[in-house]
Amino acid sequence: GENVEQHPSTLSVQEGDSAVIKCTYSDSASNYFPWYKQELGKRPQLIIDIRSNVGEKKDQRIAVTLNKTAKHFSLHITETQPEDSAVYFCAAGDSGNTPLVFGKGTRLSVIA
Amino acid sequence: DVKVTQSSRYLVKRTGEKVFLECVQDMDHENMFWYRQDPGLGLRLIYFSYDVKMKEKGDIPEGYSVSREKKERFSLILESASTNQTSMYLCASRRGGQPQHFGDGTRLSIL
Repeated sequence: GENVEQHPSTLSVQEGDSAVIKCTYSDSASNYFPWYKQELGKRPQLIIDIRSNVGEKKDQRIAVTLNKTAKHFSLHITETQPEDSAVYFCAAGDSGNTPLVFGKGTRLSVIA
Repeated sequence: DVKVTQSSRYLVKRTGEKVFLECVQDMDHENMFWYRQDPGLGLRLIYFSYDVKMKEKGDIPEGYSVSREKKERFSLILESASTNQTSMYLCASRRGGQPQHFGDGTRLSIL
C-alpha cells in the first residue's frame, strides 16, 4: 500500500521568509496530492492540491510542486506571516475511493 | 460548502462504557472516514466506508466498530472504552477523487 513520508516534523522561520515542506510517496498509482493546514484546536482544512497531470500549482503565496519520477511533492509558502503558523499535512491518493494516506505533519512556526 | 458535523466537541466517559461518536455530512459523499489524531502520530485511519452498510478496517481498528445505516451518517463505536482511547477523533467525507472534508473533531477523554 501507499506510504507517505513528510519532512521536517518542525520548522521555524522568520516572518517574511519562505518555508518549504517536503513529502515522498511510494505508490506510483497515486495521482492526487492535497495539502491540509490545521490551526490549533481546529479542523484540517484543504489549502491546495495537485493532480499528477501537472507539475506545479500556485495560489497567491502558496505553491505545490510535484515530481512524479522521483515520487515527491513539496509545499512552498512565500512571505510567511504569523497566521501561517499551524500544522501542515500532505497526503496522497488516487481518483477512486481508496483512503488518502497522510504524512505525519509539520509544525510550522512563523516568528514575528 | 461542504459541512461535516460531529455531534460533540468534547466528551468525557468512564472505562468500560460503550461510547458512540456521530458524524453527519450534507454533500451526498459516498466515502466517509474516522481518524484518530495524537501528538506526533499524525492522522491514523480507524475505519472507513464507501457506501451504506459497507465498512473497511483502517490502520488501527482494534477496539472500535462503525455503523453506516444511512449515506449521510457514519458512527464510530468504542465497545468498551479504555484509557488508551483518550484522543482527538476526526470524521471526514469525500467523493472519489475529490478533496476530503473534515469535521471539527471530538476530544474524547476516558477516565
